[in-house]
Amino acid sequence: AQSVTQLDSQVPVFEEAPVELRCNYSSSVSVYLFWYVQYPNQGLQLLLKYLSGSTLVKGINGFEAEFNKSQTSFHLRKPSVHISDTAEYFCAVSEKGGGNKLTFGTGTQLKVEL
Amino acid sequence: GAVVSQHPSRVICKSGTSVKIECRSLDFQATTMFWYRQFPKQSLMLMATSNEGSKATYEQGVEKDKFLINHASLTLSTLTVTSAHPEDSSFYICSARGTSGGQETQYFGPGTRLLVL
Repeated sequence: AQSVTQLDSQVPVFEEAPVELRCNYSSSVSVYLFWYVQYPNQGLQLLLKYLSGSTLVKGINGFEAEFNKSQTSFHLRKPSVHISDTAEYFCAVSEKGGGNKLTFGTGTQLKVEL
Repeated sequence: GAVVSQHPSRVICKSGTSVKIECRSLDFQATTMFWYRQFPKQSLMLMATSNEGSKATYEQGVEKDKFLINHASLTLSTLTVTSAHPEDSSFYICSARGTSGGQETQYFGPGTRLLVL
């Protein structure tokens, strides 16, 4: 079975500052990795995903994440955040060959302030 | 892009009644649909996986007789919370797996907030 840890429940940051949201995972098999964003009272939107290949993955809205197999991490970064990035961010994994079942972390609330 | 809708978006019901939540894929065929539950300040927990035309597969600890799932077509799945109790109050989210724009991925609905009084 796999698990996902998002150590930071809340991350406050000023607008135009860089941000990193941390994600670590645990699995006994190879995994796919995902980051989703959830705006208030809305469903999840896929930001980016790592399936294979280059460990640096670029997603929508200027976000990127880097897969680090040795550290079992998939941290999400953005060099300059905007007020509109305020949302809940979820890291998720699914096991290769596991039928696309996603296991989510507990989420990180990103709050961008002026 | 692909869209998944859920109806209703919010529902309040009395304890002991049943509530049906619909999940529709609007512009693609969803061979598999997933139902999640999200408690406040917590992550999404997978409840069950349903494939069109077959019985749903429930995760450990989820009562199949309480959370009835029907996936009658490639665009519709329903979750019925039977004899709801206050502890069933939660945010229920469905997701649909299918192919849109030539790529297979998973799309999430906007969620249904259930409050049981």
